[in-house]
Amino acid sequence: DAGVIQSPRHEVTEMGQEVTLRCKPISGHDYLFWYRQTMMRGLELLIYFNNNVPIDDSGMPEDRFSAKMPNASFSTLKIQPSEPRDSAVYFCASSPRAKVNQPQHFGDGTRLSIL
Amino acid sequence: AQSVTQLDSQVPVFEEAPVELRCNYSSSVSVYLFWYVQYPNQGLQLLLKYLSGSTLVKGINGFEAEFNKSQTSFHLRKPSVHISDTAEYFCAVSYVQGAQKLVFGQGTRLTINP
Repeated sequence: DAGVIQSPRHEVTEMGQEVTLRCKPISGHDYLFWYRQTMMRGLELLIYFNNNVPIDDSGMPEDRFSAKMPNASFSTLKIQPSEPRDSAVYFCASSPRAKVNQPQHFGDGTRLSIL
Repeated sequence: AQSVTQLDSQVPVFEEAPVELRCNYSSSVSVYLFWYVQYPNQGLQLLLKYLSGSTLVKGINGFEAEFNKSQTSFHLRKPSVHISDTAEYFCAVSYVQGAQKLVFGQGTRLTINP
């Protein structure tokens, strides 16, 4: 079975450029989560969706960050304009429907470097 | 609000030795508890979870954890570690009622020396 698929695996770009990270959740999963991992702050939840609808975006750091889920099989996280402090590993995760005891399945992450 | 504290940022042990990774949580309501493992350049994988019932939970790769409500702890143990257990380990909690989201600890880097 295919797991959560993220692309690209690595992204290096210059400050000020737009960055788009992509995620394909596991088929049939109703929840999708975006996380950011850094040495300083650990693993932070940025936003999560239920049935393509954003439920909690309180972790999105600022207006430069936006996330969409146009359908059940695709989500994007955009940073515009990007800054060096956005450098991190970004993870997407998905989980089955509504019970909180369902584990989250993580992708392998996108390692983002902003120069 | 929930919070999770992993008391050790790094734990070095020798191969075949026992190991315990400590996790304490704070919450005013009932929670579910999880341990995840992250191997280099990979995402997180579920090791085990506590939902209810027996306080001793067994997971994959020979790991187990014990839920202690009075001490609000959920320590992870393995009686004999292998080189392949070298990874970062994350403790996490979620509400029994309400939101689906997880709150993670800062992680413990387990290094196994031959």
